[in-house]
Amino acid sequence: GNSVTQMEGPVTLSEEAFLTINCTYTATGYPSLFWYVQYPGEGLQLLLKATKADDKGSNKGFEATYRKETTSFHLEKGSVQVSDSAVYFCALSDSGAGSYQLTFGKGTKLSVIP
Amino acid sequence: DVKVTQSSRYLVKRTGEKVFLECVQDMDHENMFWYRQDPGLGLRLIYFSYDVKMKEKGDIPEGYSVSREKKERFSLILESASTNQTSMYLCASSLFGTSPSNEQFFGPGTRLTVL
Repeated sequence: GNSVTQMEGPVTLSEEAFLTINCTYTATGYPSLFWYVQYPGEGLQLLLKATKADDKGSNKGFEATYRKETTSFHLEKGSVQVSDSAVYFCALSDSGAGSYQLTFGKGTKLSVIP
Repeated sequence: DVKVTQSSRYLVKRTGEKVFLECVQDMDHENMFWYRQDPGLGLRLIYFSYDVKMKEKGDIPEGYSVSREKKERFSLILESASTNQTSMYLCASSLFGTSPSNEQFFGPGTRLTVL
């Protein structure tokens, strides 16, 4: 079956530090990969996505590259801000499973301190 | 902008009560989903629906049922609430089709406490 494994948190960084949140996956078909973000007290919103190998998704200074050879989709940002404090979820949607369900990782809580 | 709304942000119920959680989306999406979110477990799919009156079980359907009488509305029903159903419930919607790139749009969530 499909699964997503992301680094456990919480992660605490100082403002302007470099961020990496690791995400690896297993899938039966040809998945699309997503990063969702959940700010305190809110629902999830899409941060970025990539639909095929070597694609790079980017948004709000965050980037992630779909690496098929390492089955990874690590999230990076060069300089985090206090406003980036949130929970980040890696997810996949797999055409091989014949459905359009999302499989989520367990989430990584990021806290950025001034 | 896609908007997914949920009927309550916070809800407190007693064990054994019947509980209805309502979700409405305004983008004419065919697919709708109910998840529960628990610390350390991430999001788990309870049920989803790809059309009016159609439903499919997700990973954890036990103790829940759903109703989709209109395209824009998807209800989650707890027939007899129990304390282990205390959780955050998230509704989502997406376009129809099996394209894996279809984005899901989420509501703000309902935090349910069962006493």
